[in-house]
Amino acid sequence: AQSVTQLDSHVSVSEGTPVLLRCNYSSSYSPSLFWYVQHPNKGLQLLLKYTSAATLVKGINGFEAEFKKSETSFHLTKPSAHMSDAAEYFCVVSDQGTALIFGKGTTLSVSS
Amino acid sequence: DTEVTQTPKHLVMGMTNKKSLKCEQHMGHRAMYWYKQKAKKPPELMFVYSYEKLSINESVPSRFSPECPNSSLLNLHLHALQPEDSALYLCASSQEGRTRNEKLFFGSGTQLSVL
Repeated sequence: AQSVTQLDSHVSVSEGTPVLLRCNYSSSYSPSLFWYVQHPNKGLQLLLKYTSAATLVKGINGFEAEFKKSETSFHLTKPSAHMSDAAEYFCVVSDQGTALIFGKGTTLSVSS
Repeated sequence: DTEVTQTPKHLVMGMTNKKSLKCEQHMGHRAMYWYKQKAKKPPELMFVYSYEKLSINESVPSRFSPECPNSSLLNLHLHALQPEDSALYLCASSQEGRTRNEKLFFGSGTQLSVL
């Protein structure tokens, strides 16, 4: 069975400092992995996805993630946080079919 | 147009009411989804329509009744809901709903309160 674990429920950073949101997955197959962001009272927006092409995936708004099979990880990073990055972030693995399996989410807070 | 539009944005209903949530997309997507999201929790899949046929029903109570009149529209009919059904209801769409690599486009949701 596939699963995804977001290692931090809450991450706090200062504006201009790097962001690291950690995600580990479990999969019997070659997984499809996604990061979605949800701003307050909004729907989810896709930041980036990994589908077995390049292991370093670049997304929108300066975010990127690296797929590491040996560590079963797909951590999300950004070199410099902006106030507008404050949101809920979900790591998602795609099941063998089409169902998405969501992590529990990480709340990112950005202070000035 | 890369939007999924949901109406209404907010809904308050009593336990004996009947109401409907609506979702619309004009991206030519053939798969549409309903998710339920409680506060501070990830979304939970309720239903998936692929090519206007119900392909996934995640054992959702019958007081929730989905309908897909055409490939652009998705409704969720609500009847005799319970207070624990209060949540954000998200609609999403994707290309076909047949591969695991598909990107989902989400609407902003309907915040439902059941009194």
